[in-house]
Amino acid sequence: DIQMTQSPASLSASLGETVTIECRASEDIYSNLAWYQQKPGNSPQLLIYDANSLADGVPSRFSGSGSGTQYSLKINSLQSEDVASYFCQQYNNYPFTFGSGTKLEIK
Amino acid sequence: EVQLVETGGGLVQPGRSLKLSCVASGFTFSSYWMYWIRQAPGKGLEWVSSINTDGGSTYYPDSVKGRFTISRDNAENTVYLQMNSLRSEDTATYYCAKGTIAARWAFAYWGQGTLVTVSS
Repeated sequence: DIQMTQSPASLSASLGETVTIECRASEDIYSNLAWYQQKPGNSPQLLIYDANSLADGVPSRFSGSGSGTQYSLKINSLQSEDVASYFCQQYNNYPFTFGSGTKLEIK
Repeated sequence: EVQLVETGGGLVQPGRSLKLSCVASGFTFSSYWMYWIRQAPGKGLEWVSSINTDGGSTYYPDSVKGRFTISRDNAENTVYLQMNSLRSEDTATYYCAKGTIAARWAFAYWGQGTLVTVSS
C-alpha cells in the first residue's frame, strides 16, 4: 500500500498569510493526487485534483504543486473561512489512501 | 445539481450486518464510478470501496475485504454497501462519492454521510 505522510498535523496562521501543507508518498504516484478541505460538521470538499488542477468553484487562492513523491497545497491570503482540516489522497494505486490530515486554525 | 443521499446507518451489534444506500440525482448515474469513504469519529478519511459503471468491477482495502460488498442499481440510481461481520472499528460516518469527467478518480461530490455505530 502507498503511505501518505502529511505535515504539519496542525497549523496556526494569521489572516492574510500564506500557508503550505505538504504530503509525501511512499512511492511515485505520478501526480495522481487530490486535496480536500473539511470544515467542522461538513462533508469533505475537493479542492485540487491531478496534483495541480483546481476543482470547480474553488477560489484561486488555493493551489497545488508537486510531482513524484512530494506534493504541496498552498493557500494564499488566508481567510477566516479557510479554518478547516485538509487531507491529501492518492489515487494512483488501489487501495486509495489518505494523509492523516492538517488542522488549520487562525491565530 | 448533483445530489448524493446516504441512508441506512444506525446502531448495530458486533458481528451483525447493515446495508447502506446512496441515492444519486442530478447526473447520469450509469456513467460514473461510485465510491464509499468512511471517517471514524474525530479521525481521518479511509477509502472503503469502488465500483465501476456496470458493477462488474469492485475494489476494497484489506480492512473490509470479504466482509463488505459494494453494488449498484443503475435503474434506481443507487449504490449500496452491504456490511457483514461488523466490528467496533467499523464505527464511522460513511460517505458515498463520485468523480467528474475531468477528475474521474478524485472524490468531487460527497453525500452528507450516514453514521454507523457498532456496539453492544
